[in-house]
Amino acid sequence: DVKVTQSSRYLVKRTGEKVFLECVQDMDHENMFWYRQDPGLGLRLIYFSYDVKMKEKGDIPEGYSVSREKKERFSLILESASTNQTSMYLCASSLMALNTEAFFGQGTRLTVV
Amino acid sequence: AQKITQTQPGMFVQEKEAVTLDCTYDTSDQSYGLFWYKQPSSGEMIFLIYQGSYDEQNATEGRYSLNFQKARKSANLVISASQLGDSAMYFCAMREDQGSARQLTFGSGTQLTVLP
Repeated sequence: DVKVTQSSRYLVKRTGEKVFLECVQDMDHENMFWYRQDPGLGLRLIYFSYDVKMKEKGDIPEGYSVSREKKERFSLILESASTNQTSMYLCASSLMALNTEAFFGQGTRLTVV
Repeated sequence: AQKITQTQPGMFVQEKEAVTLDCTYDTSDQSYGLFWYKQPSSGEMIFLIYQGSYDEQNATEGRYSLNFQKARKSANLVISASQLGDSAMYFCAMREDQGSARQLTFGSGTQLTVLP
């Protein structure tokens, strides 16, 4: 079974804190993605990576950065958390091939107070 | 411009009836893939069905089928014989062939409620 594991299910952080969301996959997938999910807006892509140390901006990268030092791990960093970053964050991974589905983690519900 | 458009924020269907969830997409690529996912209230994302842009037949997976109309750029999901357990959020997604950077873009989703 493919597994994508996110480090936390729920997080509460203070405004201005640096926040790390970790994601690990165990299927040797090349691609990894970070999305945020908000009601009425669906899943919006923040960043994705197609190889170690390679990253591409998605649709809403402002206020976020990412790190992929190892193939299995993709970290999302909120440099200075703000209340408008309160959201559900979903990590996903997939093979490179166009016809392969992405597998998702269980999500991290982040609240910034 | 939105790459994936789902115009139905919410849909209701009677148990055992069929329902169609709409999805239109926008791409200039010739090679792309279309996906549908289900997200129950538990939050997990469940892959349902895939359609490739070069596939001549509409994809089917059990009670799920994809009504693919390439010229209209639509990829509607059809659920036959709805069950109470089909109540969930449904997302349409597209993957474009942009070399190594094959990002996966989602629509805003449709909340389906199956009525007993």
